[in-house]
Amino acid sequence: GNSVTQMEGPVTLSEEAFLTINCTYTATGYPSLFWYVQYPGEGLQLLLKATKADDKGSNKGFEATYRKETTSFHLEKGSVQVSDSAVYFCALSDQTGANNLFFGTGTRLTVIP
Amino acid sequence: NAGVTQTPKFQVLKTGQSMTLQCAQDMNHNSMYWYRQDPGMGLRLIYYSASEGTTDKGEVPNGYNVSRLNKREFSLRLESAAPSQTSVYFCASSLDKGGYNEQFFGPGTRLTVL
Repeated sequence: GNSVTQMEGPVTLSEEAFLTINCTYTATGYPSLFWYVQYPGEGLQLLLKATKADDKGSNKGFEATYRKETTSFHLEKGSVQVSDSAVYFCALSDQTGANNLFFGTGTRLTVIP
Repeated sequence: NAGVTQTPKFQVLKTGQSMTLQCAQDMNHNSMYWYRQDPGMGLRLIYYSASEGTTDKGEVPNGYNVSRLNKREFSLRLESAAPSQTSVYFCASSLDKGGYNEQFFGPGTRLTVL
């Protein structure tokens, strides 16, 4: 079956610290992988995606590389800002069957000045 | 463009009451989705509509019904609400079916069933 496992939160960092949020997956077929972000009081927004092995998705200083050998898609940012405080969701779409999204449980990030 | 809009934002129901959550998108998207978000569970798909006139069950459809009223609107109905349906409900849309298509989410409806 399809599943996504994210590191447990919450994560609290000081401004300009390095961020890593771990994500591993189990999927049938060859999934596409996504990171969505949810800011307080809002719906989810796509942050970045990768559709095949070794692809790197990037946006707003965030990066994640699709690693098929370790079934991982870890989110990284070199220097976080207070405005990055949000909940981050890793997700996959397995490209077979219904082709729907499967989400991890989310990781809450708080960045303090 | 308003994107994806949902009404209401908040709702409190008593067990056994019914209600309909409304969702509309103005992006001319073909596919629409209903999710629920529970603490520690991430988002789970309730129902989806790949295109106008079609609906299919997702991961957790029990206790819900949906209607794809037209291309813009996709409603979610709880016929007899139960406390287990207390959750935050998100509607989403995408240009077409397929997870590689970006999904755009509404702001959510927070539902409490007493």
